[in-house]
Amino acid sequence: DAGITQSPRYKITETGRQVTLMCHQTWSHSYMFWYRQDLGHGLRLIYYSAAADITDKGEVPDGYVVSRSKTENFPLTLESATRSQTSVYFCATSDYNEQFFGPGTRLTVL
Amino acid sequence: QQQVKQSPQSLIVQKGGISIINCAYENTAFDYFPWYQQFPGKGPALLIAIRPDVSEKKEGRFTISFNKSAKQFSLHIMDSQPGDSATYFCAASRGSAGNNRKLIWGLGTSLAVNP
Repeated sequence: DAGITQSPRYKITETGRQVTLMCHQTWSHSYMFWYRQDLGHGLRLIYYSAAADITDKGEVPDGYVVSRSKTENFPLTLESATRSQTSVYFCATSDYNEQFFGPGTRLTVL
Repeated sequence: QQQVKQSPQSLIVQKGGISIINCAYENTAFDYFPWYQQFPGKGPALLIAIRPDVSEKKEGRFTISFNKSAKQFSLHIMDSQPGDSATYFCAASRGSAGNNRKLIWGLGTSLAVNP
């Protein structure tokens, strides 16, 4: 039982390309979150979802798109990647108050 | 605007010493205060959490102290070990209803415990 998985774990892309980061949970947690982690900025919330087909913006949503057609999946798309989006991206799920984090995706935009 | 302020940014402690990390919050509606631990290359994981109806919670070597009037809470790691070397994040939220599952995060403290 993997719990929460993210793919790919590492990704290098070029400026202007579209990139999709995948997040999958084997639990049935209703809430899912996408964060980016950058040195000096801690964890910043990009988007979150309270349930399938319900999503909302977080602190830094610009340049990102999410969807959630199924409870278990919450993909994050960078429509036109920029160098400022080079970061480590974490997906998380929530069971009541606790958040459970995936292993992260390290994205480099050249 | 940083609603949860965490200090220090980094901390070096000798093995066996006490590590203390502090957080201050602004929103009095917050009612859940967790601490997360993150090792290099891993996602954060819940370490310990407290609600404002108690002033202290202890789990093994880890203790949260909570001061509601001062709007501050802190993490104490007793008998610090090299394996405790990690980044620690405090957070706060307004409970579990509606969109209040969101956590407001501190910026993190990098702890290094020297052997």
